[in-house]
Amino acid sequence: AAGVIQSPRHLIKEKRETATLKCYPIPRHDTVYWYQQGPGQDPQFLISFYEKMQSDKGSIPDRFSAQQFSDYHSELNMSSLELGDSALYFCASAKSRDNSYEQYFGPGTRLTVT
Amino acid sequence: QQQVKQSPQSLIVQKGGISIINCAYENTAFDYFPWYQQFPGKGPALLIAIRPDVSEKKEGRFTISFNKSAKQFSLHIMDSQPGDSATYFCAATRTDSWGKLQFGAGTQVVVTP
Repeated sequence: AAGVIQSPRHLIKEKRETATLKCYPIPRHDTVYWYQQGPGQDPQFLISFYEKMQSDKGSIPDRFSAQQFSDYHSELNMSSLELGDSALYFCASAKSRDNSYEQYFGPGTRLTVT
Repeated sequence: QQQVKQSPQSLIVQKGGISIINCAYENTAFDYFPWYQQFPGKGPALLIAIRPDVSEKKEGRFTISFNKSAKQFSLHIMDSQPGDSATYFCAATRTDSWGKLQFGAGTQVVVTP
Protein backbone atom coordinates (compact mmCIF):
# COMPACT_ATOMS: atom_id res chain seq x y z
CA ALA A 1 0.00 0.00 0.00
CA ALA A 2 1.17 3.52 -0.77
CA GLY A 3 2.52 5.45 2.18
CA VAL A 4 3.31 9.03 3.01
CA ILE A 5 6.37 10.27 1.14
CA GLN A 6 8.68 12.88 2.55
CA SER A 7 11.62 14.55 0.91
CA PRO A 8 14.40 15.02 1.45
CA ARG A 9 15.09 12.32 4.00
CA HIS A 10 18.12 14.11 5.34
CA LEU A 11 19.02 17.77 5.20
CA ILE A 12 22.00 19.63 6.55
CA LYS A 13 21.83 23.42 6.76
CA GLU A 14 23.80 26.15 8.43
CA LYS A 15 22.44 28.64 10.91
CA ARG A 16 20.34 31.41 9.39
CA GLU A 17 19.76 29.41 6.20
CA THR A 18 16.37 28.37 4.82
CA ALA A 19 14.98 24.85 4.42
CA THR A 20 11.97 23.45 2.58
CA LEU A 21 10.52 20.08 3.52
CA LYS A 22 8.02 18.33 1.28
CA CYS A 23 5.26 15.88 2.08
CA TYR A 24 3.18 13.79 -0.29
CA PRO A 25 0.17 12.26 1.48
CA ILE A 26 -1.31 8.85 0.87
CA PRO A 27 -3.45 8.98 -2.30
CA ARG A 28 -6.98 10.25 -1.61
CA HIS A 29 -5.93 11.64 1.77
CA ASP A 30 -6.77 15.33 1.94
CA THR A 31 -5.57 16.17 5.46
CA VAL A 32 -1.93 16.74 6.34
CA TYR A 33 -0.21 17.24 9.69
CA TRP A 34 3.33 18.31 10.50
CA TYR A 35 5.10 17.21 13.68
CA GLN A 36 8.55 17.94 15.08
CA GLN A 37 10.39 15.32 17.13
CA GLY A 38 13.50 16.28 19.06
CA PRO A 39 16.06 13.65 20.15
CA GLY A 40 14.49 11.28 22.68
CA GLN A 41 11.25 13.25 22.70
CA ASP A 42 7.70 12.66 21.57
CA PRO A 43 6.38 14.27 18.38
CA GLN A 44 5.04 17.78 18.84
CA PHE A 45 2.26 19.07 16.61
CA LEU A 46 3.18 22.04 14.41
CA ILE A 47 0.40 22.69 11.93
CA SER A 48 -2.30 20.95 9.89
CA PHE A 49 -4.16 21.43 6.63
CA TYR A 50 -7.47 20.25 5.29
CA GLU A 51 -8.45 20.80 1.68
CA LYS A 52 -5.57 23.26 1.19
CA MET A 53 -6.65 25.42 4.13
CA GLN A 54 -4.87 25.62 7.49
CA SER A 55 -7.04 23.76 9.98
CA ASP A 56 -5.06 23.97 13.21
CA LYS A 57 -1.83 25.41 14.52
CA GLY A 58 0.40 24.27 17.34
CA SER A 59 3.72 25.46 18.66
CA ILE A 60 5.11 26.47 15.29
CA PRO A 61 7.67 29.30 15.33
CA ASP A 62 6.89 32.41 13.31
CA ARG A 63 9.99 31.61 11.23
CA PHE A 64 8.18 28.56 9.89
CA SER A 65 5.38 28.59 7.36
CA ALA A 66 3.55 25.86 5.53
CA GLN A 67 0.99 25.36 2.84
CA GLN A 68 -0.93 22.63 1.10
CA PHE A 69 -1.19 22.63 -2.66
CA SER A 70 -3.92 21.67 -5.11
CA ASP A 71 -2.51 18.13 -5.42
CA TYR A 72 -2.64 17.91 -1.58
CA HIS A 73 1.10 17.79 -1.12
CA SER A 74 2.39 20.08 1.57
CA GLU A 75 5.58 22.04 2.13
CA LEU A 76 7.06 23.27 5.38
CA ASN A 77 9.30 26.31 4.91
CA MET A 78 11.77 27.11 7.66
CA SER A 79 13.76 30.33 7.63
CA SER A 80 16.53 31.79 9.79
CA LEU A 81 17.36 28.31 10.99
CA GLU A 82 18.63 27.90 14.52
CA LEU A 83 20.61 25.07 16.09
CA GLY A 84 17.51 24.15 18.10
CA ASP A 85 15.60 23.43 14.90
CA SER A 86 17.64 20.24 14.46
CA ALA A 87 15.07 17.47 14.73
CA LEU A 88 13.06 14.88 12.88
CA TYR A 89 10.14 16.41 11.02
CA PHE A 90 7.23 14.12 10.31
CA CYS A 91 4.33 14.57 8.03
CA ALA A 92 1.18 12.55 8.63
CA SER A 93 -1.89 12.24 6.46
CA ALA A 94 -5.49 11.35 7.15
CA LYS A 95 -8.28 10.31 4.85
CA SER A 96 -10.70 13.13 5.52
CA ARG A 97 -11.90 15.60 8.09
CA ASP A 98 -14.16 12.95 9.62
CA ASN A 99 -11.20 10.59 10.00
CA SER A 100 -8.58 13.21 10.75
CA TYR A 101 -7.61 11.47 13.98
CA GLU A 102 -6.46 8.32 12.16
CA GLN A 103 -3.08 9.56 11.02
CA TYR A 104 -0.42 7.75 9.04
CA PHE A 105 3.10 9.04 9.38
CA GLY A 106 5.81 9.35 6.80
CA PRO A 107 9.44 8.29 7.34
CA GLY A 108 10.44 11.80 8.36
CA THR A 109 13.07 14.33 7.34
CA ARG A 110 16.08 14.58 9.60
CA LEU A 111 17.16 18.23 9.67
CA THR A 112 20.57 19.05 11.07
CA VAL A 113 21.46 22.69 11.57
CA THR A 114 25.18 23.40 12.03
CA GLN B 1 3.05 20.32 29.80
CA GLN B 2 2.49 16.71 28.86
CA GLN B 3 -1.24 16.16 28.44
CA VAL B 4 -0.75 12.42 28.31
CA LYS B 5 1.49 10.81 30.91
CA GLN B 6 3.17 7.56 29.93
CA SER B 7 5.08 5.01 31.99
CA PRO B 8 7.48 3.34 32.25
CA GLN B 9 10.14 5.24 30.34
CA SER B 10 11.84 1.98 29.42
CA LEU B 11 11.10 -1.70 29.71
CA ILE B 12 13.13 -4.87 29.31
CA VAL B 13 11.21 -8.10 28.80
CA GLN B 14 12.25 -11.60 27.88
CA LYS B 15 11.11 -13.21 24.67
CA GLY B 16 7.68 -14.71 25.22
CA GLY B 17 6.89 -12.38 28.10
CA ILE B 18 4.24 -9.67 28.42
CA SER B 19 5.07 -5.99 27.96
CA ILE B 20 2.72 -3.54 29.69
CA ILE B 21 2.77 0.21 29.07
CA ASN B 22 0.46 2.59 30.89
CA CYS B 23 -0.92 6.00 30.00
CA ALA B 24 -3.08 8.51 31.82
CA TYR B 25 -4.85 11.63 30.61
CA GLU B 26 -6.73 14.54 32.17
CA ASN B 27 -8.76 16.01 29.33
CA THR B 28 -12.11 14.22 29.34
CA ALA B 29 -12.83 15.61 25.89
CA PHE B 30 -10.31 13.17 24.40
CA ASP B 31 -12.20 10.41 22.62
CA TYR B 32 -9.64 8.57 20.50
CA PHE B 33 -6.58 6.85 21.90
CA PRO B 34 -4.07 5.38 19.44
CA TRP B 35 -0.79 3.62 20.07
CA TYR B 36 2.16 4.12 17.76
CA GLN B 37 5.26 1.97 17.33
CA GLN B 38 8.46 3.68 16.24
CA PHE B 39 11.75 2.11 15.20
CA PRO B 40 14.93 4.21 15.23
CA GLY B 41 15.06 6.65 12.34
CA LYS B 42 11.54 5.73 11.18
CA GLY B 43 8.16 7.37 11.42
CA PRO B 44 5.63 6.32 14.04
CA ALA B 45 3.38 3.51 12.78
CA LEU B 46 -0.23 3.28 13.92
CA LEU B 47 -0.50 0.04 15.85
CA ILE B 48 -3.94 -0.07 17.44
CA ALA B 49 -6.48 2.44 18.70
CA ILE B 50 -9.50 2.53 21.00
CA ARG B 51 -12.51 4.73 21.70
CA PRO B 52 -13.91 5.31 25.23
CA ASP B 53 -17.06 3.29 24.54
CA VAL B 54 -15.14 0.00 24.72
CA SER B 55 -13.01 -1.30 27.58
CA GLU B 56 -10.74 -3.54 25.57
CA LYS B 57 -9.57 -4.03 22.02
CA LYS B 58 -7.35 -6.82 20.77
CA GLU B 59 -5.44 -7.12 17.51
CA GLY B 60 -3.16 -10.12 17.32
CA ARG B 61 -0.67 -9.97 20.17
CA PHE B 62 -1.55 -6.35 21.00
CA THR B 63 -4.34 -5.44 23.42
CA ILE B 64 -5.51 -2.04 24.64
CA SER B 65 -7.30 -1.87 27.98
CA PHE B 66 -9.27 1.30 28.67
CA ASN B 67 -10.58 2.57 32.02
CA LYS B 68 -12.73 5.62 31.39
CA SER B 69 -13.45 6.41 35.04
CA ALA B 70 -9.76 6.33 35.93
CA LYS B 71 -8.79 8.12 32.71
CA GLN B 72 -6.18 5.48 32.01
CA PHE B 73 -5.37 3.14 29.19
CA SER B 74 -2.68 0.58 28.63
CA LEU B 75 -1.04 -1.48 25.92
CA HIS B 76 -0.27 -5.14 26.49
CA ILE B 77 2.10 -6.94 24.14
CA MET B 78 1.64 -10.65 24.57
CA ASP B 79 4.32 -13.20 23.67
CA SER B 80 6.84 -10.40 23.14
CA GLN B 81 9.33 -10.97 20.32
CA PRO B 82 12.75 -9.39 19.64
CA GLY B 83 11.17 -7.70 16.60
CA ASP B 84 8.87 -5.83 18.99
CA SER B 85 11.87 -3.91 20.33
CA ALA B 86 10.93 -0.31 19.58
CA THR B 87 9.65 2.86 21.19
CA TYR B 88 5.93 2.90 21.84
CA PHE B 89 3.93 6.10 22.11
CA CYS B 90 0.43 6.43 23.42
CA ALA B 91 -1.56 9.39 22.17
CA ALA B 92 -4.92 11.03 22.62
CA THR B 93 -7.05 13.42 20.63
CA ARG B 94 -10.50 14.84 20.19
CA THR B 95 -12.17 13.60 17.05
CA ASP B 96 -14.01 16.92 16.71
CA SER B 97 -10.86 19.05 16.65
CA TRP B 98 -8.95 18.09 13.53
CA GLY B 99 -7.28 15.16 15.25
CA LYS B 100 -4.21 16.94 16.57
CA LEU B 101 -2.43 14.16 18.46
CA GLN B 102 -1.13 14.66 21.99
CA PHE B 103 1.61 12.11 22.55
CA GLY B 104 2.94 10.53 25.70
CA ALA B 105 6.67 10.69 26.31
CA GLY B 106 7.27 7.22 24.90
CA THR B 107 8.42 3.86 26.26
CA GLN B 108 11.50 2.13 24.93
CA VAL B 109 10.85 -1.61 24.91
CA VAL B 110 13.70 -4.08 24.60
CA VAL B 111 12.87 -7.74 24.17
CA THR B 112 15.78 -10.00 24.98
CA PRO B 113 16.22 -13.34 23.19
